[in-house]
Amino acid sequence: DVKVTQSSRYLVKRTGEKVFLECVQDMDHENMFWYRQDPGLGLRLIYFSYDVKMKEKGDIPEGYSVSREKKERFSLILESASTNQTSMYLCASSLPPRRFFGPGTRLTVL
Amino acid sequence: AQSVTQLDSQVPVFEEAPVELRCNYSSSVSVYLFWYVQYPNQGLQLLLKYLSGSTLVKGINGFEAEFNKSQTSFHLRKPSVHISDTAEYFCAVTAGGTSYGKLTFGQGTILTVHP
Repeated sequence: DVKVTQSSRYLVKRTGEKVFLECVQDMDHENMFWYRQDPGLGLRLIYFSYDVKMKEKGDIPEGYSVSREKKERFSLILESASTNQTSMYLCASSLPPRRFFGPGTRLTVL
Repeated sequence: AQSVTQLDSQVPVFEEAPVELRCNYSSSVSVYLFWYVQYPNQGLQLLLKYLSGSTLVKGINGFEAEFNKSQTSFHLRKPSVHISDTAEYFCAVTAGGTSYGKLTFGQGTILTVHP
């Protein structure tokens, strides 16, 4: 079974803090993705990576950055967290057209 | 670029009634289509997918969907729902070819099954 794990299920941070969300997959997939999920908006793609050190912006990259130093790990970084980044964050990895989602991290920024 | 529209944000139904959750997409290239379900406080689970071949796709838990290329639709149906089908359902599309598996999601439809 493919496993996509995310470092935290729940996270509470303060405005202005630097936040790291970690995602690890164990299937040697090249493609990894970060989405955020908000009520009434579905899932929106923040960033994706198709190889180590390769990344591309998704639909809503503002306020976020990513890091992919190793194939199995894809990190989402909030340089200075803001309250409008309170959301559920979902990581995914894929071998097209199949993809696997992590359990999600619910981030609250106070 | 592709987009997905789920036409109903909420669908309330009674138990054992049939249900249809509507999904329309737009894309300039051939697509793969998916339906995901998210039960309360759980992660995303794949219900079914259309990649090629038969336009009627059967998934888990008695759900099925029909790909209609002329109407650019991929509606999800179940002939008789259960209380346990209460969840949020997401339609998603990805383009074929070298799209790196990028999924575009609809806004979600909350299905509530009442006894």
